[in-house]
Parts: sequence; structure tokens; C-alpha cells
Amino acid sequence: KQEVTQIPAALSVPEGENLVLNCSFTDSAIYNLQWFRQDPGKGLTSLLLIQSSQREQTSGRLNASLDKSSGRSTLYIAASQPGDSATYLCAVYTSGTYKYIFGTGTRLKVLA
Amino acid sequence: EADIYQTPRYLVIGTGKKITLECSQTMGHDKMYWYQQDPGMELHLIHYSYGVNSTEKGDLSSESTVSRIRTEHFPLTLESARPSHTSQYLCASSEFSSDRGTEAFFGQGTRLTVV
Repeated sequence: KQEVTQIPAALSVPEGENLVLNCSFTDSAIYNLQWFRQDPGKGLTSLLLIQSSQREQTSGRLNASLDKSSGRSTLYIAASQPGDSATYLCAVYTSGTYKYIFGTGTRLKVLA
Repeated sequence: EADIYQTPRYLVIGTGKKITLECSQTMGHDKMYWYQQDPGMELHLIHYSYGVNSTEKGDLSSESTVSRIRTEHFPLTLESARPSHTSQYLCASSEFSSDRGTEAFFGQGTRLTVV
């Protein structure tokens, strides 16, 4: 059974810092991994999607990497801003199941 | 911008009432999902659908039911609401593309409170 874990559970950093969020999964047979942002009480906004054949994807200040063999992904946020404060979730789409399994999330707070 | 809509956004209802949470998408996606999320907690899959007339139970047991009569519409129904059903319900859809893989899009969610 696929399990997805995110570390740290919560993170508080001063504005301007570069930071790394971690996601690990137990079953490497995935089609793709997707990073989302969730603001309090809202739905999920897709940030980046990495297909299983890819190593990384970039969008603006965000860079996501994938090491499928070791079951790990990282989300790198450069020059963090208070507007980046949110919960960040990773989800894996596992082969043969048609399901997205979500991690536990990292609650990020960027202090002005 | 994802074209997936949930209504209502907020609902406060009394115990024992029947409710239907609506979810619609205009992207023509075959696969749709319902997730349940308690405040500050992780998402749990409660129902999903591969396409019209297909529905499956998710990993978390739920007293709700779903239907998929049309591709764009995936409503969730609770026959008799209870306080334990208080939660946020998130709907999503996805489709495979050769250049993007299988990307999921989410609605804004329905926050349900049963009193």
C-alpha cells in the first residue's frame, strides 16, 4: 500500500530564505508526482507536476525534483515571501490504481 | 486555471437532513474524485469514478454515496447527515495527456457543518 510522508510537518522562516520541503513515498511504481498549495479553508492549487520519467520541473521560484528509485521528491522555494505561507502537499499517482495518494503536508509560515 | 466547481461553498445543516454536494467540471475529464479533509489534517479519498456509470469506494470508509450519470457531474449525497460528517469535502478531476502526464485539478471545496 502506497504511503506518502512529508517532512517537516511545519516550518517557520524569515522572508527571503531559500527552503526545501521533502516528500517520500513507499512504492516507486508511480506515474507522476504533483505538488499542491492549500490556503486555509480553500481547495488545492497545482504547483508542479513531475512525470515518472522526469527528474525535475521548474516554475518561477519553485523547483521540484524527483528521485523515483529512492522514493523521494523535494520542493525548493527560492527567496521566500509572506505570500508563500500555506500548506504544501505532495501527491503520487500510482500505477494501476488511478488514485492520488496525498502526503500529510507541510505548513509553511514566512515571516515578514 | 482549472474549471472545476463545487457548490455550495459552505453549508450548515441539521442532523438527519439529506444533502447533496455538487461538483462539476468543464474539461471533459473521465476521472473524478471526492476527498474528505478535517481541519489541519490530511486528505482522504472517499469516492472516485473512471467515467460515466462507474463509481468506486475510496480508502476511507464513508456513509456518503456518489453517482456519475454525466461526464461533467459527480455529486455526493448524504442521506442522513450527522455531526460526525462535519468536514471539508474536496472534488477533483484528472485526465492523462502525453506531454503532461496525469494532472489533478481541485475545486474550492465545500465546508459542511452538521449541527
